[in-house]
Amino acid sequence: KAGVTQTPRYLIKTRGQQVTLSCSPISGHRSVSWYQQTPGQGLQFLFEYFSETQRNKGNFPGRFSGRQFSNSRSEMNVSTLELGDSALYLCASSLVGADLNYGYTFGSGTRLTVV
Amino acid sequence: DAKTTQPTSMDCAEGRAANLPCNHSTISGNEYVYWYRQIHSQGPQYIIHGLKNNETNEMASLIITEDRKSSTLILPHATLRDTAVYYCIVSTGRGSTLGRLYFGRGTQLTVWP
Repeated sequence: KAGVTQTPRYLIKTRGQQVTLSCSPISGHRSVSWYQQTPGQGLQFLFEYFSETQRNKGNFPGRFSGRQFSNSRSEMNVSTLELGDSALYLCASSLVGADLNYGYTFGSGTRLTVV
Repeated sequence: DAKTTQPTSMDCAEGRAANLPCNHSTISGNEYVYWYRQIHSQGPQYIIHGLKNNETNEMASLIITEDRKSSTLILPHATLRDTAVYYCIVSTGRGSTLGRLYFGRGTQLTVWP
């Protein structure tokens, strides 16, 4: 079966701009989580969506937002980009969130560089 | 946030067993132990999980101590492709942890020829 697909793979943006990243979960998976990974902070949880509803949120400023569509695809948006937003953004999907049988399946991520 | 302690790095010869330890002394009764790994520049990959009993799958074995305060991930015959950062995570997967995993710094495992 197809894995978790994230687009684009690489992105370069300028400070102050906004960006939208996309995540297509595994077919049938209804939970999508987003993470930010930086060398300094490691992997940090951004938010989780299930059936178009945000169920959980990490400690990130309001510039970071997301949404989930009826087909379970998810997008995250970062507005007013800062240099510190440069990171690998990963999404993960599971059947219901914390799928205890198979865990979460991660995509390969979107590498965002803010200049 | 992370409630686990892992060594920063470990080495292993190719073909030998790699034993990666994890301490989770404050684990609660309904928390599972999960292991993920991340190969450079890729997304984390689920390996195995367990609650109380030892578990084995095609990738690895998970040994959990009787008091559940520590566990060991075993890669029985390590290959060069097993070089990665390995994360040990404890979670109920419910309530405030729903949909989220707390990744610590993990253990960088290097398998050498």
